[in-house]
Amino acid sequence: DGGITQSPKYLFRKEGQNVTLSCEQNLNHDAMYWYRQDPGQGLRLIYYSQIVNDFQKGDIAEGYSVSREKKESFPLTVTSAQKNPTAFYLCASSMYSTSSYNSPLHFGNGTRLTVT
Amino acid sequence: KQEVTQIPAALSVPEGENLVLNCSFTDSAIYNLQWFRQDPGKGLTSLLLIQSSQREQTSGRLNASLDKSSGRSTLYIAASQPGDSATYLCAVIDFQGAQKLVFGQGTRLTINP
Repeated sequence: DGGITQSPKYLFRKEGQNVTLSCEQNLNHDAMYWYRQDPGQGLRLIYYSQIVNDFQKGDIAEGYSVSREKKESFPLTVTSAQKNPTAFYLCASSMYSTSSYNSPLHFGNGTRLTVT
Repeated sequence: KQEVTQIPAALSVPEGENLVLNCSFTDSAIYNLQWFRQDPGKGLTSLLLIQSSQREQTSGRLNASLDKSSGRSTLYIAASQPGDSATYLCAVIDFQGAQKLVFGQGTRLTINP
């Protein structure tokens, strides 16, 4: 079955440590996204990538980094510079075309990160 | 800056009722609007996508409408079932040059048997 796989489902880290969240898709989608979800708030965009070896900052990129070396993979690193990293992180993907944005997003099941 | 609002934050109704969820957005220059469902602890599932040139979309018991001029969308659920219990989120893509969605905070729906 095609889909998006996020791992691990739960992640615990000590403050000051960097941590990398995995996101893999086999949908042959061009675009991939990372969102953060906090209780009582909507999803907020961290980073997105429309093509391999290219990515753009979203609304809350500070303290995060990404890479897009392969079409299928878009890992997110939460660095020690992120002041409030505990959250639910969601990865998404979609077909991308400069002539059409009408492709629905597909989401993974998320990684819940807890930093203490 | 585009803002998306969903009211109410939570809704509880008896099984079998028809119901409407509301979504409003501040900038009418949107490219499309999407409705998603999220079950607890899970990712989002796309339900319906309405392009800016469309007025509504239907899928089974779900019907989504779009009124760009007033900055509103509604999601109509017919004959609600306990399995419809979830959080429903709407999101818009505006003309910012990239396929970035702006999300509302969601409406948590509970269908009581």
